[in-house]
Amino acid sequence: GAVVSQHPSRVICKSGTSVKIECRSLDFQATTMFWYRQFPKQSLMLMATSNEGSKATYEQGVEKDKFLINHASLTLSTLTVTSAHPEDSSFYICSARDLVAGTQYFGPGTRLLVL
Amino acid sequence: AQSVTQPDIHITVSEGASLELRCNYSYGATPYLFWYVQSPGQGLQLLLKYFSGDTLVQGIKGFEAEFKRSQSSFNLRKPSVHWSDAAEYFCAVTGGASGNTPLVFGKGTRLSVIA
Repeated sequence: GAVVSQHPSRVICKSGTSVKIECRSLDFQATTMFWYRQFPKQSLMLMATSNEGSKATYEQGVEKDKFLINHASLTLSTLTVTSAHPEDSSFYICSARDLVAGTQYFGPGTRLLVL
Repeated sequence: AQSVTQPDIHITVSEGASLELRCNYSYGATPYLFWYVQSPGQGLQLLLKYFSGDTLVQGIKGFEAEFKRSQSSFNLRKPSVHWSDAAEYFCAVTGGASGNTPLVFGKGTRLSVIA
């Protein structure tokens, strides 16, 4: 089946630093990717929709200057958490839509811990 | 607006017993429905999906789901649960299989399996 990868799987950083998370669709092209955030024992919260070659669309309440999204190719989207703070600690999950299959596939997630 | 309700936050079943996880959706047009499973600390794995046609869909790991338009439901079932099925289950809906329409998730149902 289709595979979406994320890197890194987990990261620990100091407060004030920036962290970049990569999301790749491995065997299909994705013009659209989605970034979610998940708090412990809760559902996925959509942060933004990443569109290849254009600006991302952010959900209400998500700071676009805080969470920078770049979708430079049909197989790669990146999420950069800028000037990370402890409250940014969370599980970040990306997904990519396979237009042929009509299905959204999810990456394994990235656990971010900001100290 | 689209919404998904999973009425049961936590369900416990005995190994070998049957399982039904409830999902109700709200959507104005024909919905595209999905069930995903998430093991602790992992991403989401697609169990099954419904787009059109036969309202009883078969998925992986012995799961099936039935779309009932009159009840706006898409309940997930398995005739005999295995201990490895213990996980978090998410029902999701979208308005289209292509384009930028993101998935809308329910809050999830946590399944525990006892011996």
